[in-house]
Amino acid sequence: DGGITQSPKYLFRKEGQNVTLSCEQNLNHDAMYWYRQDPGQGLRLIYYSQIVNDFQKGDIAEGYSVSREKKESFPLTVTSAQKNPTAFYLCASSINRGGRNNEQFFGPGTRLTVL
Amino acid sequence: DAKTTQPPSMDCAEGRAANLPCNHSTISGNEYVYWYRQIHSQGPQYIIHGLKNNETNEMASLIITEDRKSSTLILPHATLRDTAVYYCIVRRNTNAGKSTFGDGTTLTVKP
Repeated sequence: DGGITQSPKYLFRKEGQNVTLSCEQNLNHDAMYWYRQDPGQGLRLIYYSQIVNDFQKGDIAEGYSVSREKKESFPLTVTSAQKNPTAFYLCASSINRGGRNNEQFFGPGTRLTVL
Repeated sequence: DAKTTQPPSMDCAEGRAANLPCNHSTISGNEYVYWYRQIHSQGPQYIIHGLKNNETNEMASLIITEDRKSSTLILPHATLRDTAVYYCIVRRNTNAGKSTFGDGTTLTVKP
């Protein structure tokens, strides 16, 4: 089945530790995105990548880092510099190559809790 | 990408049509209107999108005003399972770049 996978579903870390969230897609999509969602809030864009080896900051990039070494993978690192890392993290991808539909496909999310 | 404005919440009676509005007054000519919904603790799900013509699929209808500054998502016969947060966003179909979601509209379908 094609889709986006995020792992793990739940993640616990101690304060001050870096943590990397996985996002993999087998949809052959060019673009990938990371969003953060806090309780009762909408989605806020952290980073996005339109092509391999290139990525751009979103609206709340501070305290986060990403890499895009492979088309299928877009891991997100939450660093110790992120002051409030506890949140629900969503990864998405889209084809981004024209045509009539450029919908984003979302993964199931990772719920990160920093203790 | 253009910003969108949606009411924070709406109620709808089960079996009735749910009409969810969205304002996108700064939309560019090459930007599409996309609608997604998010059921609690899951990833958002695509519903429908359009450029300037009205669109319909098995889930919903999308009505876009002639000046494209606003749109309405219509769920023709709302069920309890349609209770969710609905997001309206605008983005290009190529080199979409930043794809920004707002806070959406929380639709509650009541029996």
